[in-house]
Amino acid sequence: NAGVTQTPKFQVLKTGQSMTLQCAQDMNHNSMYWYRQDPGMGLRLIYYSASEGTTDKGEVPNGYNVSRLNKREFSLRLESAAPSQTSVYFCASSKVDTVSTDTQYFGPGTRLTVL
Amino acid sequence: AQKITQTQPGMFVQEKEAVTLDCTYDTSDPSYGLFWYKQPSSGEMIFLIYQGSYDQQNATEGRYSLNFQKARKSANLVISASQLGDSAMYFCAMRESPLHIRGGSEKLVFGKGTKLTVNP
Repeated sequence: NAGVTQTPKFQVLKTGQSMTLQCAQDMNHNSMYWYRQDPGMGLRLIYYSASEGTTDKGEVPNGYNVSRLNKREFSLRLESAAPSQTSVYFCASSKVDTVSTDTQYFGPGTRLTVL
Repeated sequence: AQKITQTQPGMFVQEKEAVTLDCTYDTSDPSYGLFWYKQPSSGEMIFLIYQGSYDQQNATEGRYSLNFQKARKSANLVISASQLGDSAMYFCAMRESPLHIRGGSEKLVFGKGTKLTVNP
């Protein structure tokens, strides 16, 4: 049971390049999330997916797109990277049912630098 | 408006002593959840403890307990018998009423964190 996995762990991009961050979970969770963490800040929600086939914007969605490929996988795409997108990106998932605490479990993070 | 406030950027504690990390929150929703996460220097986010707004008792998980004062809108994390491995960033987060309650959202809002250093 790997939990939440993210690839890649590190990435350096040049301004204007595109890339996709991959996330997968094996906990049969319904909901998945993408956050970014900047120095001295807590995590801020970029996008989330409450269930397969649905996605919604979070607090800081500009410059990003997401795809909920299936129940397991949720990807984050940067179409034209900017230095302001230099950050650590975390994927998370939660079960979200009527009984659980809806605790979100996080992947190890992707450290992205945009030059 | 800041929904989660952690007023202590840094805290120091001696090994084996107890420490309290402060968290205050702001919501008008009667149904919400409060979470604490630990982020060691390796970077991963580790779930520690959860408190629901309707829970009658303060949550406890091993050496972690949550001092939940609903009227004051505070949810402080208490770590007993601190260990060197407790040195990390600690984040408080809030989820307002979940999706399966009408009009709710499962989004988490995080505070800016407190850096805890445990001294030997």
